[in-house]
Amino acid sequence: DTAVSQTPKYLVTQMGNDKSIKCEQNLGHDTMYWYKQDSKKFLKIMFSYNNKELIINETVPNRFSPKSPDKAHLNLHINSLELGDSAVYFCASSETGTGSYEQYFGPGTRLTVT
Amino acid sequence: TQLLEQSPQFLSIQEGENLTVYCNSSSVFSSLQWYRQEPGEGPVLLVTVVTGGEVKKLKRLTFQFGDARKDSSLHITAAQPGDTGLYLCAGDSSNYGGSQGNLIFGKGTKLSVKP
Repeated sequence: DTAVSQTPKYLVTQMGNDKSIKCEQNLGHDTMYWYKQDSKKFLKIMFSYNNKELIINETVPNRFSPKSPDKAHLNLHINSLELGDSAVYFCASSETGTGSYEQYFGPGTRLTVT
Repeated sequence: TQLLEQSPQFLSIQEGENLTVYCNSSSVFSSLQWYRQEPGEGPVLLVTVVTGGEVKKLKRLTFQFGDARKDSSLHITAAQPGDTGLYLCAGDSSNYGGSQGNLIFGKGTKLSVKP
């Protein structure tokens, strides 16, 4: 069984379009995250939600809007896509109660904006 | 701004050699995690170290957390081609002014082990 799944795996789109990436976790964790990994492999947190509540909102353009319909899902919607948005986006989850925030990552969504 | 400096950035070695990857910061962390990422996949957690001076072993991998909880190292003995990947360290600073769950990631060490 896949613990953290993301769809789609690959997303190629043109500048100016709006797109969404979906994430689901079946681990029963209470916290979910979105990360962006650039071409140099640097992994940076974008958002985190704890029980559907926004906890972390790093300096991310407001074209990016996360939505958590329930604690097992965290989707990412991106408006007016730009070339610089091209990257791999990872969803992750963790359980707050462990105290160490160990992350379980999804397989990633490679977004290419042309 | 809290930073984790990882070194070296790239490492290419022959099968059977030993290597050490370092993760350093001027900030204190509640815990530090090491992940390995293979191409086309998400990072996978290898270990979490919590106590200053702690040493954990995972087969041929030895992880150490510095006494002051500001640095960590990963040592691989007799590296094998299957060890190839991107190794990432990540620090949890939630007890030292950081946001809950906001892990600070290093920039990674890309390891290539040739047969």
